[in-house]
Amino acid sequence: DAKTTQPPSMDCAEGRAANLPCNHSTISGNEYVYWYRQIHSQGPQYIIHGLKNNETNEMASLIITEDRKSSTLILPHATLRDTAVYYCIVTSGTASKLTFGTGTRLQVTL
Amino acid sequence: NAGVTQTPKFRVLKTGQSMTLLCAQDMNHEYMYWYRQDPGMGLRLIHYSVGEGTTAKGEVPDGYNVSRLKKQNFLLGLESAAPSQTSVYFCASSYPGRRGNTEAFFGQGTRLTVV
Repeated sequence: DAKTTQPPSMDCAEGRAANLPCNHSTISGNEYVYWYRQIHSQGPQYIIHGLKNNETNEMASLIITEDRKSSTLILPHATLRDTAVYYCIVTSGTASKLTFGTGTRLQVTL
Repeated sequence: NAGVTQTPKFRVLKTGQSMTLLCAQDMNHEYMYWYRQDPGMGLRLIHYSVGEGTTAKGEVPDGYNVSRLKKQNFLLGLESAAPSQTSVYFCASSYPGRRGNTEAFFGQGTRLTVV
């Protein structure tokens, strides 16, 4: 599975959009980009995933560049409850062996 | 619908003791996983299973054994606990989908301390 690079931390004002970047320059053609988040010490929670097209669901949007070497997770209107560690994961999907790095710690402030 | 349930939630062991962590899922998922998370770090895969009766090693399998005798259960065993195994253990399950694997559902974790 390709390696990912994320900034260690980011801040965002409540109500504003949070844009979390992820670099995955060695991604291969059959690998998907997944995003999970972990609030406090709870189990990680799935957010969204995609292959090459942009994706949107009720939680977030995922923008994948045309060359697929990077992506951005967008939380359109961040709230205090979105404060968490966000993990970007690239995997081929077989048995979904999710490899978690250290992620980005997003702090949403008033 | 309970999702993924881990038992126990907390445990303190003495060095050399053994124990089994139980993971149960009620979503009929094919795949199940055990991860550990140490302070300030991401989750690391210990073992996983792609179906009943199958298991495979993950990134950090040493010191652990697993069994998947029933589709809904995935057991993680520590035969002789060591302080280095002090960690938070997470179980997860998922199933293969047409667009990559579906989302993995995680349990709430088991906090294990080995003294």
